Amino acid sequence: QKEVEQNSGPLSVPEGAIASLNCTYSDRVSQSFFWYRQYSGKSPELIMSIYSNGDKEDGRFTAQLNKASQYVSLLIRDSQPSDSATYLCAVNPRETGANNLFFGTGTRLTVIP
Amino acid sequence: GAGVSQSPRYKVAKRGQDVALRCDPISGHVSLFWYQQALGQGPEFLTYFQNEAQLDKSGLPSDRFFAERPEGSVSTLKIQRTQQEDSAVYLCASNPGTGNQPQHFGDGTRLSIL
Repeated sequence: QKEVEQNSGPLSVPEGAIASLNCTYSDRVSQSFFWYRQYSGKSPELIMSIYSNGDKEDGRFTAQLNKASQYVSLLIRDSQPSDSATYLCAVNPRETGANNLFFGTGTRLTVIP
Repeated sequence: GAGVSQSPRYKVAKRGQDVALRCDPISGHVSLFWYQQALGQGPEFLTYFQNEAQLDKSGLPSDRFFAERPEGSVSTLKIQRTQQEDSAVYLCASNPGTGNQPQHFGDGTRLSIL
């Protein structure tokens, strides 16, 4: 079982709709969680970080974390065509020490004008 | 520069050749990471440096892969006797310290082995 699982998609939503991206992880002691956006041929760009249970909002983006269910999600409100990209969920499973990230395979999002 | 800088952006090599990929992290960032990203996949961890010390190299796929960061800033990832399966994008990331701060990625080096 992979450490981090994402729905590979692709996910298509109309412009203005809410896009919902989901991620589950296997290691219960995981401490930090990140969502990255990656345009084709470009590097991953940090969108959100979340460390404690609940919701964290930043503009049109909301990250939700439920450690009991080992689940983290990203909601994108008022989706725009420029949001079309691959979204990578990343988890740091360790409490201390090296904080390398484990990534899911990504969910490809297309926002249709 | 303000971000993580990697060079070259593209590298084509023949099977069996050695290659060297460079990463210049954000100034002052203690931690530096190398990841390998195959087409259609998420990045996979290769190795981690804290300053000049290589603290974790568990992700390096074989002994043909070697990384160094001798002065605690610029890092080089070297691949010896390249194979076709080494073709991938190699990403470098850095963050300020040893905590769980987000990592910031460079644009990567796209390596193609013919």
